Amino acid sequence: AQSVTQPDIHITVSEGASLELRCNYSYGATPYLFWYVQSPGQGLQLLLKYFSGDTLVQGIKGFEAEFKRSQSSFNLRKPSVHWSDAAEYFCAVGLLNTDKLIFGTGTRLQVFP
Amino acid sequence: DGGITQSPKYLFRKEGQNVTLSCEQNLNHDAMYWYRQDPGQGLRLIYYSQIVNDFQKGDIAEGYSVSREKKESFPLTVTSAQKNPTAFYLCASSIGYPADPTDTQYFGPGTRLTVL
Repeated sequence: AQSVTQPDIHITVSEGASLELRCNYSYGATPYLFWYVQSPGQGLQLLLKYFSGDTLVQGIKGFEAEFKRSQSSFNLRKPSVHWSDAAEYFCAVGLLNTDKLIFGTGTRLQVFP
Repeated sequence: DGGITQSPKYLFRKEGQNVTLSCEQNLNHDAMYWYRQDPGQGLRLIYYSQIVNDFQKGDIAEGYSVSREKKESFPLTVTSAQKNPTAFYLCASSIGYPADPTDTQYFGPGTRLTVL
């Protein structure tokens, strides 16, 4: 069955430090992959998505993610975290030929000054 | 200004009452979705609709009902049959497959429902 795993429930980093949020998926075909961010009490905002082509994807707010087929991973990175990046981050996989997304359980990011 | 609106932002309900959550989009999207979010569980799909007058059950449809009479509107009714309705409810929309092969979903701000 298709699934998405975000192994880190909670991550804490200092402002200015680099960040990597992990995402692993299980899916038999080439997936469409997404990262969303959610501020407390708000909806989800799309950060970036992978469809095909270049495996390094640039997104908004200085985020990037790299698709690694051999590792079934789509990790999110940012070279220098800002306090405003504190939020919950969700990885999702889109199923080929459907309208459905499968979400991971999310990683809560806390940023210390 | 295009987007997805959900109302109300906060909703309180007594046990045994039905309640309807509103979702409207002006993005001209064909597909619309309802998700439920609980702490530590991510998002779970309740219902989705790929076109007007058609909808399908998601993973947790029991105790919920929807309608899709207009392209821009997809209201969700939480019925008294839903045993644990307190949650954050998110509505989303997308262009729809196959017009958009990635079928990227865009989300509304959410409604927090509390059962008293």
